Amino acid sequence: EAAVTQSPRNKVAVTGGKVTLSCNQTNNHNNMYWYRQDTGHGLRLIHYSYGAGSTEKGDIPDGYKASRPSQENFSLILELATPSQTSVYFCASGRSSYEQYFGPGTRLTVL
Amino acid sequence: GDSVTQTEGQVALSEEDFLTIHCNYSASGYPALFWYVQYPGEGPQFLFRASRDKEKGSSRGFEATYDKGTTSFHLRKASVQESDSAVYYCALGDPGTGSNRLTFGKGTKFSLIP
Repeated sequence: EAAVTQSPRNKVAVTGGKVTLSCNQTNNHNNMYWYRQDTGHGLRLIHYSYGAGSTEKGDIPDGYKASRPSQENFSLILELATPSQTSVYFCASGRSSYEQYFGPGTRLTVL
Repeated sequence: GDSVTQTEGQVALSEEDFLTIHCNYSASGYPALFWYVQYPGEGPQFLFRASRDKEKGSSRGFEATYDKGTTSFHLRKASVQESDSAVYYCALGDPGTGSNRLTFGKGTKFSLIP
């Protein structure tokens, strides 16, 4: 069974603080993705990765960095969190068929 | 750039009604088309895909047919149940970059009228 886990599941941060969202997958997929989900916008791609050591900008990368230290792990980093980054964040892994497996999501609130 | 438009933001029906959720796309080339479903409190799940004109994808009683002429991939189900209440996302796959990235529509929330 494909498995993508995210931590933390809920996070409250202060404006200007640093936030790191973590994602782990046991699917042995090369590709990993970070999305945010907001009412009225659906799922929007922030960053993605082709494999360990690679990160690519998605459609809305401003204010976010990503890190892929290994096949299994992909992190999303908010160096200076802002209230506009309050959202639900989803990590996904995928292979060449485009089918992506999503994690359960992280609810981030920036005060 | 590529885009996906889902006409309905919300749909509410009675049990056993026929469900249609409209999806139109704009893309160069020949994208693969997808439907994903998201149940409350969970991440989206792959439902099915279609890769060429007139191909029908189906799963769990849902189906959609790739129509290149009308650039559409409408989701249909003949008889809805309470368990179908969820948010449905149409998506297209970018065929050019090799990244296998998806572009999602804004989603359609389906609920049953009590």
